[in-house]
Amino acid sequence: RKEVEQDPGPFNVPEGATVAFNCTYSNSASQSFFWYRQDCRKEPKLLMSVYSSGNEDGRFTAQLNRASQYISLLIRDSKLSDSATYLCVANFGNEKLTFGTGTRLTIIP
Amino acid sequence: ETGVTQTPRHLVMGMTNKKSLKCEQHLGHNAMYWYKQSAKKPLELMFVYNFKEQTENNSVPSRFSPECPNSSHLFLHLHTLQPEDSALYLCASSQDSTGQYFGPGTRLTVT
Repeated sequence: RKEVEQDPGPFNVPEGATVAFNCTYSNSASQSFFWYRQDCRKEPKLLMSVYSSGNEDGRFTAQLNRASQYISLLIRDSKLSDSATYLCVANFGNEKLTFGTGTRLTIIP
Repeated sequence: ETGVTQTPRHLVMGMTNKKSLKCEQHLGHNAMYWYKQSAKKPLELMFVYNFKEQTENNSVPSRFSPECPNSSHLFLHLHTLQPEDSALYLCASSQDSTGQYFGPGTRLTVT
């Protein structure tokens, strides 16, 4: 089983729609979680951290479910500029981040 | 310069060459990292330096040799690489266990 698992997609979503990604992790001792976005041929950029209580940043909402070992990312009112690959990341300790393979999202005009 | 910078951005080298990748962070972070990103694979952590001491070597072949002279600079020395080492090499930095910030990467092609 992969340490961090994501549906690779692609997700093709019309502009303005709401889209949600889930990600599961295998290590119950994981300490912190993040969502990154990566545009084609660019470096990953930190989108948001994920906290146990859930957190929101504008149109983006992240949730963590420790009991079921998954995290989610919800994007509301999607924009064309949201097209990217979204990487789910878990910190298993000692600053060692483990990345999922990413979910590709394309927003269609 | 701000954030994390990497040079060169592109590198083509033969299997017998020796080259070095350079990374510099301007964020005052205490940890720096090297990652490898190959097509259709997740990012692979290669090395971690914390306060310029190596704290992780993720079973990386010895043809990759990191160097961290201070907490702002990180090098990856390359020698006798193989074609399968062709990939995007990303440097990142962080402060403690907060999220990591990546440089733009060096796209390496080994011929």
